[in-house]
Amino acid sequence: KAGVTQTPRYLIKTRGQQVTLSCSPISGHRSVSWYQQTPGQGLQFLFEYFSETQRNKGNFPGRFSGRQFSNSRSEMNVSTLELGDSALYLCASAGGSGYEQYFGPGTRLTVT
Amino acid sequence: GNSVTQMEGPVTLSEEAFLTINCTYTATGYPSLFWYVQYPGEGLQLLLKATKADDKGSNKGFEATYRKETTSFHLEKGSVQVSDSAVYFCALVQVGSTLGRLYFGRGTQLTVWP
Repeated sequence: KAGVTQTPRYLIKTRGQQVTLSCSPISGHRSVSWYQQTPGQGLQFLFEYFSETQRNKGNFPGRFSGRQFSNSRSEMNVSTLELGDSALYLCASAGGSGYEQYFGPGTRLTVT
Repeated sequence: GNSVTQMEGPVTLSEEAFLTINCTYTATGYPSLFWYVQYPGEGLQLLLKATKADDKGSNKGFEATYRKETTSFHLEKGSVQVSDSAVYFCALVQVGSTLGRLYFGRGTQLTVWP
């Protein structure tokens, strides 16, 4: 089975711009979660989608949003980028009980 | 609330040494516990898991036992290799109430020298 894929792998944006990241889960998985990883804050939960519905949300400002499509693919969007948004954004998918999460390689976002 | 505390790194060992990375947790219910590993430039890989008290998760020579009485899930390996050099994360998911949300420790950097 193919793993979780994320595109793009690397992205450089300027402050104030917006960005969209994409995640394709493992085939058959209906849950997709997003995490932000930074050296200072570690791994922080952004949100989780299941069957196109946001089921869980972390403590991030409204500039961070996401959605999930009927084929379980997910996107996250960050508007009005700030320097502090520079991070590795990780997507994870889960199936069955949903407790085991499998991660993609991440998208490295650099905001200048 | 839910939280995970793991030992501060970095941990530096010689090849074939014994490894222990401590992990303790706080949870309001009955969590499932995981260890993930992250190699440079990559995402997180699930290393092992345990879903109930006294379960032992194992994979690639690594082991961890779910200890409810001490709320711990320490990672061990009897003989580390250079290829084990990576960052290791302990994590929990709260079964039922916050499905899909993993709570992570801060990670422990392991470097193994030949």
